[in-house]
Amino acid sequence: KQEVTQIPAALSVPEGENLVLNCSFTDSAIYNLQWFRQDPGKGLTSLLLIQSSQREQTSGRLNASLDKSSGRSTLYIAASQPGDSATYLCAVMGRAGNNRKLIWGLGTSLAVNP
Amino acid sequence: GAGVSQSPRYKVTKRGQDVALRCDPISGHVSLYWYRQALGQGPEFLTYFNYEAQQDKSGLPNDRFSAERPEGSISTLTIQRTEQRDSAMYRCASSSLAGGTDTQYFGPGTRLTVL
Repeated sequence: KQEVTQIPAALSVPEGENLVLNCSFTDSAIYNLQWFRQDPGKGLTSLLLIQSSQREQTSGRLNASLDKSSGRSTLYIAASQPGDSATYLCAVMGRAGNNRKLIWGLGTSLAVNP
Repeated sequence: GAGVSQSPRYKVTKRGQDVALRCDPISGHVSLYWYRQALGQGPEFLTYFNYEAQQDKSGLPNDRFSAERPEGSISTLTIQRTEQRDSAMYRCASSSLAGGTDTQYFGPGTRLTVL
């Protein structure tokens, strides 16, 4: 059974710092891995999607890496800003058969202080 | 439409009542997913559709929960005889490819409170 763990659960940093959020998963047979952002009272916003054959994806100040064999992904945020404050969720999509459902971590709650 | 919409945004109901939650996906999107999210938890998969066909309903908690997407567009999640434990945020997502293997776009959710 796939399990997704995110570390740390919460993180508070001063503005301008570079930071790393970690995601680990127990079953390496994944189709893809996605990072989402969740803001209070709003929906989930997809940040980056990494296919199982890829090693990393970049979007602006965000970079996500995937090491499928070790069951790990990291989300790197460069030069953090107060607007980056949100909960960041990692989700993996299974590969077996028609198992096309996302399994989610509990998220990392990020606070970037001015 | 411009994005995924859900209605109502908030629903308060009494225990034992039936509720119907609606999801309007992005126009042309093939896959539609339903999730449930409790406070402080990650989303939990409920069910998904490719076009009008329900592909996987393994996440539905029990037979009080059902979903349909009769014309391959709008979907309705119905909860019969609601219980307090059904209180949660119900989220809908759509994606352009069958199986939802590309980016999933989420709606704002419906906050259900069962008294």
